[in-house]
Amino acid sequence: GENVEQHPSTLSVQEGDSAVIKCTYSDSASNYFPWYKQELGKGPQLIIDIRSNVGEKKDQRIAVTLNKTAKHFSLHITETQPEDSAVYFCAASITGNQFYFGTGTSLTVIP
Amino acid sequence: NAGVTQTPKFQVLKTGQSMTLQCAQDMNHEYMSWYRQDPGMGLRLIHYSVGAGITDQGEVPNGYNVSRSTTEDFPLRLLSAAPSQTSVYFCASRRGGGLRHGEQYFGPGTRLTVT
Repeated sequence: GENVEQHPSTLSVQEGDSAVIKCTYSDSASNYFPWYKQELGKGPQLIIDIRSNVGEKKDQRIAVTLNKTAKHFSLHITETQPEDSAVYFCAASITGNQFYFGTGTSLTVIP
Repeated sequence: NAGVTQTPKFQVLKTGQSMTLQCAQDMNHEYMSWYRQDPGMGLRLIHYSVGAGITDQGEVPNGYNVSRSTTEDFPLRLLSAAPSQTSVYFCASRRGGGLRHGEQYFGPGTRLTVT
């Protein structure tokens, strides 16, 4: 099956700085890549997603880039705020029925 | 809409006991799924369903059974609990299966401990 690796496992940034989380995937057939934010004690929540026919997608302070040739995709958060502190997960899917998740990045935004 | 609900929130079982984790959604979603979340391992798919009467295995199905008799409910059964099944379990739903329906909505989770 698909293997998704995520780095770094922990990330601390000063408020207002940017944060970047990177994921790689193993199966070139993967074509849907969602990102989730999980706050303590809650279930993950989708924050942005990208499909393989798109190289970049933005939503306000959040952006995702996809490099199909290198099989990696990244989450970019600009102008970070304390409420961005959470665990972030990347995922990949081939069919849209089975999702393979990365191991998560714990982001801390220091006020 | 309540979204995706899970019961119980916490459960402690002894090895060998059986139980059912309940999951329900009120969004008329066709696709539902179960994940387990373990420290340092992210979320791993256990089973999923693309509609009532249809279920399929995910990445880690051993030790778990599911059924989907209605659109709303997708229970997860542990027939003989083992300490390796200690985990946080999340149920999720989407409007449909496949690549056309993006967002997956997660429930609040059930924390299960098997002693």
